[in-house]
Amino acid sequence: EIVLTQSPGTLSLSPGERATLSCRASQSVSSSYLAWYQQKPGQAPRLLIYGASSRATGIPDRFSGSGSGTDFTLTISRLEPEDFAVYYCQQYGSSPRGTFGGGTKVEIK
Amino acid sequence: EVQLLESGGGLVQPGGSLRLSCAASGFTFSTYAMSWVRQAPGKGLEWVSAISGSAGSSYYADSVKGRFTISRDNSRNTLYLQVNSLRAEDTAVYYCAKGSPYSGTCFDVWGQGTMVTVSS
Repeated sequence: EIVLTQSPGTLSLSPGERATLSCRASQSVSSSYLAWYQQKPGQAPRLLIYGASSRATGIPDRFSGSGSGTDFTLTISRLEPEDFAVYYCQQYGSSPRGTFGGGTKVEIK
Repeated sequence: EVQLLESGGGLVQPGGSLRLSCAASGFTFSTYAMSWVRQAPGKGLEWVSAISGSAGSSYYADSVKGRFTISRDNSRNTLYLQVNSLRAEDTAVYYCAKGSPYSGTCFDVWGQGTMVTVSS
């Protein structure tokens, strides 16, 4: 089973700054089957990125994903107030199961 | 509008059972795999179970195998999760999630969740 490790656990930034979130897999993620989700308090998660780098419908272009193999990155180019939330990576390709990382909280500095 | 609406959560004693439901609308339900994902209070996301669009295949996390059963009624556009032999560690918000066109376990639509609390 692939284990996903996200870092840092918490990222303290100001609006307008760039956020870089990391997701490392314990073994290679096949065909870049890696997704990113955003979750705000009291809400369900929302799909941001699939296939490691493709934005889901309606996602602003300040969100971008990159990486392959075992190392993946979510970048938010300029943080907007609504972007402060918890972000999860997920691998979905190696089995019918969808393993999630532990999450990174992006908080206002 | 694509929507998922869960129901059936509540307070149950250890060893008890519940049946969670998820009513789907706004898309061709039978075309997509569906999953249940849970989140314990203050914790991260945990995939629980998935079922194919035809209901021909189902999958479970090791933590719930043998205790939970996923099913679907495509004529009623409804997903179910029968949860038995509940433990304190099953306490969580349970979300139903729709598989995307990209993969059955990449989720493009989520419900609002239903809370299951296991306590005596």
